[in-house]
Amino acid sequence: GAVVSQHPSRVICKSGTSVKIECRSLDFQATTMFWYRQFPKQSLMLMATSNEGSKATYEQGVEKDKFLINHASLTLSTLTVTSAHPEDSSFYICSAKTGSFPNEQFFGPGTRLTVL
Amino acid sequence: ELKVEQNPLFLSMQEGKNYTIYCNYSTTSDRLYWYRQDPGKSLESLFVLLSNGAVKQEGRLMASLDTKARLSTLHITAAVHDLSATYFCAVDISFGNEKLTFGTGTRLTIIP
Repeated sequence: GAVVSQHPSRVICKSGTSVKIECRSLDFQATTMFWYRQFPKQSLMLMATSNEGSKATYEQGVEKDKFLINHASLTLSTLTVTSAHPEDSSFYICSAKTGSFPNEQFFGPGTRLTVL
Repeated sequence: ELKVEQNPLFLSMQEGKNYTIYCNYSTTSDRLYWYRQDPGKSLESLFVLLSNGAVKQEGRLMASLDTKARLSTLHITAAVHDLSATYFCAVDISFGNEKLTFGTGTRLTIIP
């Protein structure tokens, strides 16, 4: 149980294009999902908290107009990187909380974004 | 601002040896997590520590939590090559906060 998927696993795009990443909880409902970014050889940094049916909460320094988050249902959150640039190249990981004790986060397999 | 520091950042050890990774954090926390990450992969949950004095063990790994000292340890016993990975601790400031702050990570390499 508690499986989280992400799609796509890898994406290469040209500078200026937009990329959408999907995060799904496969066997549970997740009222809260989180989006993280990880640069090579660094730790994970929380970008935003996504709540079903409401606006996402962004961490300080994360541009909400550049990283659009939509939590359309209890099993799906999407992250759209708009007008991507090479500095947005990173490993994006989502997580979802089950809501039941101990309410820990389960992580998706990640999406490797490369912007040329 | 919550800070979570791990040491060492890099650890190279021989198979069969024991070692400990330390995770220090700067403010009161309800819970602490340990994760493993293999190169190019996402996180694998290892331990959830929910109270002061909590100790959990799985195979050659054992984690403990001292909330008064704001310190968690991940102890490796008789290391084997398969344990080579990067290990992260992560702190949840409060149950209601629901946000994790990750440590700097410890890259562990087990040498045959």
